[in-house]
Amino acid sequence: DTAVSQTPKYLVTQMGNDKSIKCEQNLGHDTMYWYKQDSKKFLKIMFSYNNKELIINETVPNRFSPKSPDKAHLNLHINSLELGDSAVYFCASSRPTSGGAASGELFFGEGSRLTVL
Amino acid sequence: SQKIEQNSEALNIQEGKTATLTCNYTNYSPAYLQWYRQDPGRGPVFLLLIRENEKEKRKERLKVTFDTTLKQSLFHITASQPADSATYLCALVQAGTALIFGKGTTLSVSS
Repeated sequence: DTAVSQTPKYLVTQMGNDKSIKCEQNLGHDTMYWYKQDSKKFLKIMFSYNNKELIINETVPNRFSPKSPDKAHLNLHINSLELGDSAVYFCASSRPTSGGAASGELFFGEGSRLTVL
Repeated sequence: SQKIEQNSEALNIQEGKTATLTCNYTNYSPAYLQWYRQDPGRGPVFLLLIRENEKEKRKERLKVTFDTTLKQSLFHITASQPADSATYLCALVQAGTALIFGKGTTLSVSS
């Protein structure tokens, strides 16, 4: 069974479109994250949710809206896509946190490669 | 400004040798530091965690050190194998943040 699964794995779309990436974890973790990995392979935190509540939002444009319907799911919706949004987006989860800090290892999904044309 | 630097983008070594990767940080006071491995087209996979009060941690052929005075962690792979070829990421946590990653070092082990 896949611990952290993301869909779709690949997404190619035109500038200006709206798209969503879904993430689900079956590890029973309380905390989930979205990271963006750019073309230079730099992995940067975007959002962190603890038990469905947003706890970290790292100066991400408000075109990006995370939604957590329950603690096992954290979806990412992106409006009005721009060329610079092209990247690989990783979802991750970890055990319960204190004050927003991860308490242990992160479990990552396989990534969703978004290409904006 | 706050920085995490992995000072080699790429490291090439021969099979059997020890690979040593460096992670330096500035203007952070991390509670602990982690190392991950990332293969092409895959998500990062956790390898080791070392806390600020620990000097060294080992797991099989892997060893991590953490020097809070030097603000540095070293990651060693002994008896390296071609299968160890991957990108290795260091990451740290301090209060109120999620895990923050360095840019990674891509290790190539040739047979």
